[in-house]
Amino acid sequence: ETGVTQTPRHLVMGMTNKKSLKCEQHLGHNAMYWYKQSAKKPLELMFVYNFKEQTENNSVPSRFSPECPNSSHLFLHLHTLQPEDSALYLCASSQSGFTNQPQHFGDGTRLSIL
Amino acid sequence: DAKTTQPTSMDCAEGRAANLPCNHSTISGNEYVYWYRQIHSQGPQYIIHGLKNNETNEMASLIITEDRKSSTLILPHATLRDTAVYYCIVRVTGNQFYFGTGTSLTVIP
Repeated sequence: ETGVTQTPRHLVMGMTNKKSLKCEQHLGHNAMYWYKQSAKKPLELMFVYNFKEQTENNSVPSRFSPECPNSSHLFLHLHTLQPEDSALYLCASSQSGFTNQPQHFGDGTRLSIL
Repeated sequence: DAKTTQPTSMDCAEGRAANLPCNHSTISGNEYVYWYRQIHSQGPQYIIHGLKNNETNEMASLIITEDRKSSTLILPHATLRDTAVYYCIVRVTGNQFYFGTGTSLTVIP
């Protein structure tokens, strides 16, 4: 599925680095989401944006900082990460957060913290 | 949102129908049933969703029992590319999607 594109697909960084993950959706949706998927664990919702406004933050540490400049783009800024932050980070979008329409996912960024 | 119960794993012969069950006995009247799948190292892929009527699309069929306490996802002719983890989710409109551990389906040649 090419409706939601995430870059980079793989990222290796040290604990003191600063990097950003990017997500772009071409589906005309108004809601965007960040999820974390650690090995052998279910997906964990991190952040939700509806019409560019953050509507949910699931107690995510401040070393993860989301940014949603418009309804088509979503970023996750990373700073001073820990080894336990190594995971697959998934972006999703939906028509809005208030309908029964499904979310559509990108293929994720595989993040490894050294 | 209601909790779902799925078998941990299932096998299916290639070319046969794969029937994946999901139990959601505490579902409420306004909760939809959604199915996703995740192939290794890819993002979850939406398959189908429904409220109370059976649904069919180009990928699969969703059969929801009359009391809505369980549902079955049917892949009519399974191929090797259908090997994936399948997630059944129930959700009230406006709430978030909560993915459990799903069913690992292996399609066998």
